[in-house]
Amino acid sequence: GAVVSQHPSRVICKSGTSVKIECRSLDFQATTMFWYRQFPKQSLMLMATSNEGSKATYEQGVEKDKFLINHASLTLSTLTVTSAHPEDSSFYICSATGGGNEQYFGPGTRLTVT
Amino acid sequence: GQQVMQIPQYQHVQEGEDFTTYCNSSTTLSNIQWYKQRPGGHPVFLIQLVKSGEVKKQKRLTFQFGEAKKNSSLHITATQTTDVGTYFCAANAGGTSYGKLTFGQGTILTVHP
Repeated sequence: GAVVSQHPSRVICKSGTSVKIECRSLDFQATTMFWYRQFPKQSLMLMATSNEGSKATYEQGVEKDKFLINHASLTLSTLTVTSAHPEDSSFYICSATGGGNEQYFGPGTRLTVT
Repeated sequence: GQQVMQIPQYQHVQEGEDFTTYCNSSTTLSNIQWYKQRPGGHPVFLIQLVKSGEVKKQKRLTFQFGEAKKNSSLHITATQTTDVGTYFCAANAGGTSYGKLTFGQGTILTVHP
């Protein structure tokens, strides 16, 4: 149990375009989903906390207009990177909780902006 | 914001040797969690420690939570090549930040056969 999927796993896009990443909890209802960014050989940096039906809470320094988060249902959250630039290239990982403390992570999305 | 310091950043061991990674916080933690991320993979939850002085074991892995709930350690006995990966501690401050985790920098473990 506690499986989280993420789509797409890899995406290459041109500078200036937008990319949408989906995060789904497959076998449980996720009360909260989190979006992280991870650079190679570095830790996970929390970008935002997403609760179903309410606005996401962004961490300091994360532009909410650039990283749009929508949590439309208890099993789906989306992250849209708008007007992507090469510096947005990174590994984006979502996680979900079902009410407990532990977080279940998706497999991640590797974004490359050319 | 809350910070969690994790050391060492890298650890290279021979198969069969022991391994320990440490996490320290300047503030008292509600609980601490440990995750393992295999190369190219995503973090996988290992365990959560809640009580002061708590010790939990999972086969060759031993997890400890300090008496003051400000530090924690993960010890692996007799490492195997399957232990390769990055081990992260993640702290939960509780209160209004309940559920939100602050990750340590991670310790990258390499095991030489």
